[in-house]
Amino acid sequence: GDQVKQSPSALSLQEGTNSALRCNFSIATTTVQWFLQNPRGSLMNLFYLVPGTKENGRLKSTFNSKESYSTLHIRDAQLEDSGTYFCAAEAGSGTYQRFGTGTKLQVVP
Amino acid sequence: GPKVLQIPSHQIIDMGQMVTLNCDPVSNHLYFYWYKQILGQQMEFLVNFYNGKVMEKSKLFKDQFSVERPDGSYFTLKIQPTALEDSAVYFCASSLALDNSQNTLYFGAGTRLSVL
Repeated sequence: GDQVKQSPSALSLQEGTNSALRCNFSIATTTVQWFLQNPRGSLMNLFYLVPGTKENGRLKSTFNSKESYSTLHIRDAQLEDSGTYFCAAEAGSGTYQRFGTGTKLQVVP
Repeated sequence: GPKVLQIPSHQIIDMGQMVTLNCDPVSNHLYFYWYKQILGQQMEFLVNFYNGKVMEKSKLFKDQFSVERPDGSYFTLKIQPTALEDSAVYFCASSLALDNSQNTLYFGAGTRLSVL
């Protein structure tokens, strides 16, 4: 089964509102990376995390390795935040990052 | 930020023919990756590559697939022969290192491969 599960799978947000996306791991994870894939398919780096929290503008992400999850908080959602958000986890024994199932976000006026 | 370039952006090919996808990684990066994404689905790891050798590959990396990076040139994914199920977007990525502080992945814009 999926080793990196994201929830929700899809989300519609009113412009200006807040939300949180979640990534749950069934593998021992050492680092997490969050990406936004825009409608044209390009992947944008959002965060790279060891256990802890990072913030960048309206985005904040936390990685809790002991409880095997990561969250991405979006504050004051804007239309340009629309796209698919992926988390990717690196296991301690591995040499590559495993992607989650994705959350498709649509921000509406 | 750091840029990974992929050429071409779209490739259409007849089933059974050979195709080579090209990637120009970030200039000082040492680790290279290929991922496959079928439309609307998650990114699936294919292979990674370091110091002229494959480090790890997934079950999606079939015998028909090969990778190489001759000195100073592109990191390539070759599929020979192609099959209909190879139709997907192929993303190249690179990272500086594998340790926690330097293994941030940077992705190219992808090559859409259509096998007819």
